[in-house]
Formats: sequence, C-alpha cells, structure tokens
Amino acid sequence: ETVLTQSPATLSLSPGERATLSCRASQTVGSNLAWYQQKPGQAPRLLIYDTSNRATGIPPRFSGSGSGTDFTLTISSLQPEDFAVYYCQQRSNWLTFGGGTKVEIK
Amino acid sequence: EVQLVESGGGLVQPGRSLRLSCTASGFSFDDYAMSWVRQAPGKGLEWVSFIRSKLYGGAVEYAASVKGRFTISRDDSESIAYLQMTYLKPEDTAVYYCTRFFRGNSEYFDLWGRGTLVAVSS
Repeated sequence: ETVLTQSPATLSLSPGERATLSCRASQTVGSNLAWYQQKPGQAPRLLIYDTSNRATGIPPRFSGSGSGTDFTLTISSLQPEDFAVYYCQQRSNWLTFGGGTKVEIK
Repeated sequence: EVQLVESGGGLVQPGRSLRLSCTASGFSFDDYAMSWVRQAPGKGLEWVSFIRSKLYGGAVEYAASVKGRFTISRDDSESIAYLQMTYLKPEDTAVYYCTRFFRGNSEYFDLWGRGTLVAVSS
C-alpha cells in the first residue's frame, strides 16, 4: 500500500495569500493523484484529478502539480471559502488518502 | 438532481452486523462504479470498498481492514449500492460516505453522499 504524507498539518494564512500544500508518496504513483476539499460537517469535494486537472466547477485559483512521489496543491489567492481541510488521494496502488492539511485563517 | 443518499447507520454492539444503503438519483447508476469511504471522528479519510459496473464485470475490492467482514453489492434496477458489515469492531466507528467513481470507472471520487454515522460500542 502506498502511504501519502501531507505537509504541513496546519497552514495559517490570511485571505489573499498564496497557499502551497504538499503530498509525498512512499512510492511512485505516476500522475494518479487527486486533491479534495472538506469543510466542517460536509462531505469532501473533488478539486483536482490526475495531478493537475481541475474538476468541473473548480475555480482556476486551484492548481495541482508534480509527478512520481511529490505533489503540490496551490491556491493562488485564498478566498474566505477556501479555509478547509485538504486531502490528497492516489489510485496507483490500491486507494489511499493522505492525512490532510488544515488551512486556517491566521 | 444528481445525488447519493446513505441510510442504515446507527449504534451497534461489537460483533453485530449492519447494512448500509446508498440510493442514487439523477445519473445512469449502472454506468458507474460505486464505492464507500469512511471517516472516523476527527480523523482522515479511508477507502473501504468499491464495486465496478456490470460493464467491467462488477469486480469488487476491499481495504485490508475490512476484507472478510464487509460485502459490497449493487442493485442496478433500483440504483442502490449496499455495504453489508459483519463482525463490527469499535474501530469501524465512522461516518460512511457513499461515493461514485469519476467518469464511471476512474478511481477518484467525484460525487459524495452526506454520509451515515456508524457507532460500534457496547
């Protein structure tokens, strides 16, 4: 099973700032990685699939990059609704999720 | 409206069984693989099981933590996916989300239900 390690665990930023979230895989997953956003009391929402493709309805301030074992989710300018927990997920070797990064208001 | 609605959760004693249902609407259910993902209180996400569409042979897979205890199935005529859970353990306590595979067969989750809480405790 591929273990995904997300960092940092918590990111404290102000609205308008740039957020950079990391996801590292214990073995290569190629480009088979997705990102999800989860707000309190809600189900997760697919943001990015196959490393860098935005899902339907996802604004362009969200972007994904990386390959192999190191991946990044970037939010170019944080909006109030972006403060949430973000998870990465791989589908290359079974299906596993990272532990999450909480983006909180500074 | 495209949606998934889970039901069947509740409080159950260790060692007992429970069956979750996921009713789909607004899309061609039989074209999609369906999956269950769970989230223990205050914790992260854990994939549990999936079942592919009949087009892909209805293949099923399970996470190691539930293999041999949980069984996933589907009724395409009713647009319902099920998760039969047996020999439940306290560590199975979680919100169970029904999800759909992206574009039918791609192992990302593009549609989620609101979840149903399963609490295993004596």
